[in-house]
Amino acid sequence: ELKVEQNPLFLSMQEGKNYTIYCNYSTTSDRLYWYRQDPGKSLESLFVLLSNGAVKQEGRLMASLDTKARLSTLHITAAVHDLSATYFCAVDTPTNAGKSTFGDGTTLTVKP
Amino acid sequence: ETGVTQTPRHLVMGMTNKKSLKCEQHLGHNAMYWYKQSAKKPLELMFVYNFKEQTENNSVPSRFSPECPNSSHLFLHLHTLQPEDSALYLCASSQDVGGTKNIQYFGAGTRLSVL
Repeated sequence: ELKVEQNPLFLSMQEGKNYTIYCNYSTTSDRLYWYRQDPGKSLESLFVLLSNGAVKQEGRLMASLDTKARLSTLHITAAVHDLSATYFCAVDTPTNAGKSTFGDGTTLTVKP
Repeated sequence: ETGVTQTPRHLVMGMTNKKSLKCEQHLGHNAMYWYKQSAKKPLELMFVYNFKEQTENNSVPSRFSPECPNSSHLFLHLHTLQPEDSALYLCASSQDVGGTKNIQYFGAGTRLSVL
């Protein structure tokens, strides 16, 4: 059974600081997703990572994938209040294509 | 707007009621999904439809009954629910199941409370 673990689950940080959210998964995966959810709103796709060493960047967020370590990171650079949200990673496996298993989510609060 | 619309946004029902949740996508996708999001639990996949055919039933109790009349519409029929079924129910769609990217587009969800 595929397990996806995120840490930390809660993160409070000050504006301007950097931090990293980690996503570990337990079996071979051929794709990993990062989503963002604002309170009371739907999930929004941020990144899709398809291969070992893949790195994607959008604004202050950068995601990377290490398939050998079964680890993805979401790095936040110089955080701003607008980044406050819950971030989920989700993993597909070759035998379970299209049926993503989600992590618990990391709730990020950026304080002035 | 994600192109995926769910109605109603909020629903309160008694345990003996029958209600339905509706999801509509305007993205031309072929796959649609139902998820349950409970407090302090990961997002749980419930059902998957690909080209109107159900391809996944993730051990969901029979009091939840999905219906997919066409690739743009997905329903979740509810009857004799339990209080522990109270949660946010999210619908999503993707181009297809297991495609190159399978990016899912989510609706805003229906907040369900079972009394």
